Amino acid sequence: EAQVTQNPRYLITVTGKKLTVTCSQNMNHEYMSWYRQDPGLGLRQIYYSMNVEVTDKGDVPEGYKVSRKEKRNFPLILESPSPNQTSLYFCASSRTTGTAPLNTEAFFGQGTRLTVV
Amino acid sequence: SQQGEEDPQALSIQEGENATMNCSYKTSINNLQWYRQNSGRGLVHLILIRSNEREKHSGRLRVTLDTSKKSSSLLITASRAADTASYFCATDGTTDSWGKLQFGAGTQVVVTP
Repeated sequence: EAQVTQNPRYLITVTGKKLTVTCSQNMNHEYMSWYRQDPGLGLRQIYYSMNVEVTDKGDVPEGYKVSRKEKRNFPLILESPSPNQTSLYFCASSRTTGTAPLNTEAFFGQGTRLTVV
Repeated sequence: SQQGEEDPQALSIQEGENATMNCSYKTSINNLQWYRQNSGRGLVHLILIRSNEREKHSGRLRVTLDTSKKSSSLLITASRAADTASYFCATDGTTDSWGKLQFGAGTQVVVTP
C-alpha cells in the first residue's frame, strides 16, 4: 500500500531535549516536505527536499533541521525544542504529473502531535 | 505566508444539502488543489484543477477556478455525515516554486444526519 509513515504519532518532551520525527515513503517520490499545522494558520511548510541530499527552507524553518540521505526517508530534527514548537506536524511526499508545468499532488502522513513543556 | 484563504471558516449543513466553500489566493498559480482532513489526521488529496481549466468534476465534487478573480470554489453535492471534515485549498506555484503547496486555514464542515 502506498503510504507515508511518520513516527511517533504522539510525543511529549521537555524544553531543550533533542528529538527526531521520522518520515518514510514507499512511492519513490523525489519531493518530500514537512509542515506544521496550528489553529487558524493552516499548514505552513518547514523544510522541503527535491531529491537526495537536496534540502531547502520553507516558510518557517527556524528551530528545525532535516536531512535526506535516502530517497525514502526525510527525518525532522528539533535540536533544542521550545514550547512554541508545540504543534501538529505532517510529512508529505509529492508526485509530479502531466507535462510542464508539472503538477504536484501531495500524500500526507498521519501526523505527529508534539507537545513541548 | 498563507496563499489561500478559505471562506467560510465553518459551515454546518444537513445531510442531503449541498456544501459550498470558496478559496481566494494572491499570486499566479500553476494549479489549485483541494484536500480533506478528518479530525487530527493527515490530509487527503481530493481534486486538482489546472490554471487553464475553469471547472472540474469528481464524483460529488465540483471545483471551479476563476484566475481573473484569483478564486476557486468547491461544491459537495448531496452531502453525507461522512463528509464532515476540514477542507483546505492549496495553490501550486509557478515553475520556479514547483512542488511547494501553499495552504489556506481551511473550512470546517459539519454534516448532521
